[in-house]
Amino acid sequence: GEDVEQSLFLSVREGDSSVINCTYTDSSSTYLYWYKQEPGAGLQLLTYIFSNMDMKQDQRLTVLLNKKDKHLSLRIADTQTGDSAIYFCAVPMDSSYKLIFGSGTRLLVRP
Amino acid sequence: DGGITQSPKYLFRKEGQNVTLSCEQNLNHDAMYWYRQDPGQGLRLIYYSQIVNDFQKGDIAEGYSVSREKKESFPLTVTSAQKNPTAFYLCASSIPGLVDQPQHFGDGTRLSIL
Repeated sequence: GEDVEQSLFLSVREGDSSVINCTYTDSSSTYLYWYKQEPGAGLQLLTYIFSNMDMKQDQRLTVLLNKKDKHLSLRIADTQTGDSAIYFCAVPMDSSYKLIFGSGTRLLVRP
Repeated sequence: DGGITQSPKYLFRKEGQNVTLSCEQNLNHDAMYWYRQDPGQGLRLIYYSQIVNDFQKGDIAEGYSVSREKKESFPLTVTSAQKNPTAFYLCASSIPGLVDQPQHFGDGTRLSIL
């Protein structure tokens, strides 16, 4: 079955760039997602990328996809304290609409 | 505004007691999901439903039950058979196949044992 892995923790200084990484196993995934979870809240969809794309940019967010290595990354430019949250990558299971979530990366932004 | 409402926000369970978590959506989504979140483990799928009166077990269904009598409602019962129920429970919904909004989440219910 699908396996999605993320590092658990990242700490950056305010104004720096953050890069959150994710690896997955199912090469049939047609699209991949990034979600953000603030404390005590549900998940908010941040962005997604189609598997036929290498990069997608949306304001301060850049998603990079390396299909050969099954590696996905989320870059946040000019990281702000409000970006402190848990970030999840999510991959559809068996090309369906059921999602497999990584364990989440907790981003801490230091002033 | 459309969205998903989970209630209560906090819930306490006594030993041997069943409790029911509510999830209501007014997004007209066909599919609904229940996830369990534990620290450092991400989200694990408990049950999901693609259509009214139909639901399937996810990866960790033991000790849980659901019903889907109405399109907008998907309540989750945590039974006394679930020996470690303390967790954060998230409900989600989606229109299957809609790529730019795959799943929309509620704000969760935190369940603790007394």
